[in-house]
This record gives sequence, structure tokens and C-alpha cells, in this order.
Amino acid sequence: NAGVTQTPKFQVLKTGQSMTLQCAQDMNHNSMYWYRQDPGMGLRLIYYSASEGTTDKGEVPNGYNVSRLNKREFSLRLESAAPSQTSVYFCASSEASFGAVGYGYTFGSGTRLTVV
Amino acid sequence: KNQVEQSPQSLIILEGKNCTLQCNYTVSPFSNLRWYKQDTGRGPVSLTIMTFSENTKSNGRYTATLDADTKQSSLHITASQLSDSASYICVVSVAGTASKLTFGTGTRLQVTL
Repeated sequence: NAGVTQTPKFQVLKTGQSMTLQCAQDMNHNSMYWYRQDPGMGLRLIYYSASEGTTDKGEVPNGYNVSRLNKREFSLRLESAAPSQTSVYFCASSEASFGAVGYGYTFGSGTRLTVV
Repeated sequence: KNQVEQSPQSLIILEGKNCTLQCNYTVSPFSNLRWYKQDTGRGPVSLTIMTFSENTKSNGRYTATLDADTKQSSLHITASQLSDSASYICVVSVAGTASKLTFGTGTRLQVTL
């Protein structure tokens, strides 16, 4: 089925370890996003890529880096994980940037990350 | 500061009953408002998208309303089913070149027998 695929689904890291969250979409969407979801808070934007070859910081970028590998793939890297990065991470894609009228977002199923 | 507030935080209803979820926002300038359904352990799935000029939009048993003057939206669920148990998230888009989505914290709905 067409959509957004995230790997892994679950991960436990020790403080200071690094890891990369993978995201791929097969809908030929131009824009891709990484969000984190924490209890009691709305989804917050970490980084986004409006089009292939561009990336920009979102609301909470500290401690993260991203790579738009090609039009399909957008990865999120934690260089030195901290307990504050324990969260559920969602990748999303859309045809156009940022909530342009008429363009919906498609979200992946999420990666549940625990940093101990 | 752009904010989206939802109420109630949680709600339990019997199967077959109707319910209405509320969303108030202070986002400006407004572009569009979306309602998403998020099942436990899954990503959000879009239910409706409404622009400034639309005041009602339906998707099956889901009907969203928008009052842009009072900056309020509601999501009405008719004849609820067990599969409606989920979180419902209100999302408002800010207009402009640096537009972004502002997410509410969601209403957790549980439908019981």
C-alpha cells in the first residue's frame, strides 16, 4: 500500500548513543517532515524538507540532524541521545509545503524511542 | 503565540451515541483547519480540511464545522462505533510563506458497549 514507512518501530538507546530514524514515502510527494509527539503536547516539528535538496529547522531542532537523501527518503539522526529525546517520532509527507490549502499530510506509523 | 486548544481532554460514550469535540484556536493569519484521527500506536490520519470560506465539511459519520469569526471548530461523530475509539487532533495552518501547522493536544475518545 502507498504511504509513509518508518523504521524502526521501537528503539531503546543508552544516553550518548547515536542512531538514525529512517523514513520513505512512495507517493512522489515533494515535502517531508519529522515531528515528535510527547504526552500532553501537540505534535512539534523538528525539521522539514520542502523539496528535494533542501532542509530547514522546525520548532525543536536541537540535538537532531536530517538528510533528504532523495525525493523518497528523509532521515533523522540523533548524534548523542539524551533522556529528553524519549518520544514518539513521526515522519510525514505532503505534495506541497506546509499546510497549503487542499494538500493533506500522510503520516507514518511512528518510531517509539526510549533513551535510558 | 499561535495556540490550538481542544476540549474535552477525554470522553467516554456508549456505542451508537453521538458526540461533539471542540477546538478553539488563536492562530493568525488563518489558512485552513484540519481534523485528524489517531489510533493508538499509529500515525494521524486526515478526516477533514476546511478553509476560511467553508463552515461545514463531512466525511461519512464525521462532520466538522468552522466558525472563523469566533475561531472555533467542532467535530461531530454520529452513531459512534467501537472503531471510533481514538484521539482526535485539531490542526490549524498559518497562512504565508513561512506557514506551519499548529497541533492541538487532542481529545481521547473511548466508545464502549
